[in-house]
Amino acid sequence: DIVMTQSPDSLAVSLGERATINCKASQSVLSSSRNKNYLAWYQQKPGQPPKLLIYWASTRESGVPDRFSGSGSGTDFTLTISSLQAEDVAVYYCQQYYNTHTFGQGTKLEIK
Amino acid sequence: QVQLQESGPGLVKPSQTLSLTCTVSGGSISSAGYHWSWIRHHPGKGLEWIGYIYYSGSTYYNPSLRSRVTISIDTSKNQFSLRLSSVTAADTAVYYCASAIAAAPLDLWGRGTLVTVSS
Repeated sequence: DIVMTQSPDSLAVSLGERATINCKASQSVLSSSRNKNYLAWYQQKPGQPPKLLIYWASTRESGVPDRFSGSGSGTDFTLTISSLQAEDVAVYYCQQYYNTHTFGQGTKLEIK
Repeated sequence: QVQLQESGPGLVKPSQTLSLTCTVSGGSISSAGYHWSWIRHHPGKGLEWIGYIYYSGSTYYNPSLRSRVTISIDTSKNQFSLRLSSVTAADTAVYYCASAIAAAPLDLWGRGTLVTVSS
């Protein structure tokens, strides 16, 4: 199994400030043959299903605001929200799809 | 556009089998290369991938649940199903069905259905 570990578990950021969430995989999720990282980020709000934000570690899903960005490769990844908006309050999950699927434990993002 | 909808009992007794169905509308469950997943969200906890099935019937399960899980597909009804045996209170969760192209993230989700395990 590939274990995904996120940090921190919770995060409070002021409106307009940057939020950064980290995700570490227990083994590389980089495909050398395709040169792609099989890593996605999801946003989940209460009472809603998860929403895909970013895939291939850094590609934004259609319609996702450009304040959301993803980076990293191999085993270490980061989701950054450049300027936090009130509607960004949610739980964020990283997920690997290199070998079946595994989610991180989630990071709860709140307004400071 | 393609939509997914979960259905099934909201209450299951301990030791019994949880059974849920996901109906695919607006598209074919037999689309080549797609797999159809079940994921659950325990109250106050994170997401847990349960397993997925291809239209061919090939299945892949979370090792921690493999001994209790069966996912099946009915192409004639455009549905796929989850059976989880010997349930306990720890299986209480919101269960989601979702889909993806092989080796791609889950980009389509159902709204989820709460299943409570209680006597």
